[in-house]
Amino acid sequence: EAGVAQSPRYKIIEKRQSVAFWCNPISGHATLYWYQQILGQGPKLLIQFQNNGVVDDSQLPKDRFSAERLKGVDSTLKIQPAKLEDSAVYLCASSLVGTMTSVYNEQFFGPGTRLTVL
Amino acid sequence: AQKITQTQPGMFVQEKEAVTLDCTYDTSDQSYGLFWYKQPSSGEMIFLIYQGSYDEQNATEGRYSLNFQKARKSANLVISASQLGDSAMYFCAMRAPTNFGNEKLTFGTGTRLTIIP
Repeated sequence: EAGVAQSPRYKIIEKRQSVAFWCNPISGHATLYWYQQILGQGPKLLIQFQNNGVVDDSQLPKDRFSAERLKGVDSTLKIQPAKLEDSAVYLCASSLVGTMTSVYNEQFFGPGTRLTVL
Repeated sequence: AQKITQTQPGMFVQEKEAVTLDCTYDTSDQSYGLFWYKQPSSGEMIFLIYQGSYDEQNATEGRYSLNFQKARKSANLVISASQLGDSAMYFCAMRAPTNFGNEKLTFGTGTRLTIIP
């Protein structure tokens, strides 16, 4: 079974530029998550999709970050314009469901995209 | 709000010894889940073990076991017979419901484990 795919793996941009990350979840997984992991910290949830609808984007800086999941499969996360503090690893994860009804609702993570903003 | 605390930024352990990574949590929810993930230098998060808040037995998965003490709100990870390949960052995380009707994983700051040959 193929895992969660992400691209690019690395990206270096200058502040105020735009950048986009792509994620392809595990086939059949209804729920998709984007996390931001700043160096020395644990991942922080930015946005959660259930199929192609947003369930939770409470921690997404909406003035500069946007995300979409067209057709309930692939997803893109965009930053426009980027700031220095956006330097982080952006992790995508997917799970079968996103509710508490599933005990083993394990989230499978992709390899991440390491973003450096200069 | 949920909070996970990992007080050990780094640990050094001799190969073949057992190691305990500490994790305490704070939540007012009755139903929640506790996870441990391993993050090697390559960056991916690898699921290790899960403990549900209503599970009476401590979870075990091969060399990994979770020492769950509900009254103390602690969920320590025990790795028996450590191996060089265990060197990585380890994150404790808690899954709990949110006001949006979903469930959310909250992560600790992690512990960097280094196994010494």
